[in-house]
Amino acid sequence: GAVVSQHPSRVICKSGTSVKIECRSLDFQATTMFWYRQFPKKSLMLMATSNEGSKATYEQGVEKDKFLINHASLTLSTLTVTSAHPEDSSFYICSAKPPAGTEAFFGQGTRLTVV
Amino acid sequence: AQKITQTQPGMFVQEKEAVTLDCTYDTSDPSYGLFWYKQPSSGEMIFLIYQGSYDQQNATEGRYSLNFQKARKSANLVISASQLGDSAMYFCAMREGRSWGSQGNLIFGKGTKLSVKP
Repeated sequence: GAVVSQHPSRVICKSGTSVKIECRSLDFQATTMFWYRQFPKKSLMLMATSNEGSKATYEQGVEKDKFLINHASLTLSTLTVTSAHPEDSSFYICSAKPPAGTEAFFGQGTRLTVV
Repeated sequence: AQKITQTQPGMFVQEKEAVTLDCTYDTSDPSYGLFWYKQPSSGEMIFLIYQGSYDQQNATEGRYSLNFQKARKSANLVISASQLGDSAMYFCAMREGRSWGSQGNLIFGKGTKLSVKP
């Protein structure tokens, strides 16, 4: 099946710094990728839709300036958590769906801890 | 109102027995897709099974089957012959609309934690 790779899988950063998370579709082109956030023992909540070559679409309540999304190519979307705070600590996971088929493939997820 | 409802926060099942995980959904769109994902403690989301709203037959994938009752808007996951490795969180999800041709985000339920006992 199609593969979506997310990196890093785990990151610890200091409060106030920025962290970049990469999401790559390895064997298909993805004009759209999705970024989700998952709190401990909770469901996945869509944060934003990443659109190749254009601005991301953010869900209500998600700060655009805090969670910067760049989708510069058909195989790469990045999520940058800027000026991270402890409350940004969470599990972030991306997904993409190949043009053909119905299944969405997920990256391995990134566990972010802000200290 | 919640789009996807999973009423069982946690379930226990004896190894080798079958278990049903409940999922109900709410949509006014005639075209939608229903998915089940497994999330082990490592965090990755593993696709299990898919059911389209227009599919006449219930989907099956190995030990997984989806009991699709359209009129009741339910899409329960049945796992037969449970294995210890089945212990994980299970999420029901829905994609609405015909836009899923290349896009379409998933709406997730809150999940059910399944524990398989030896």
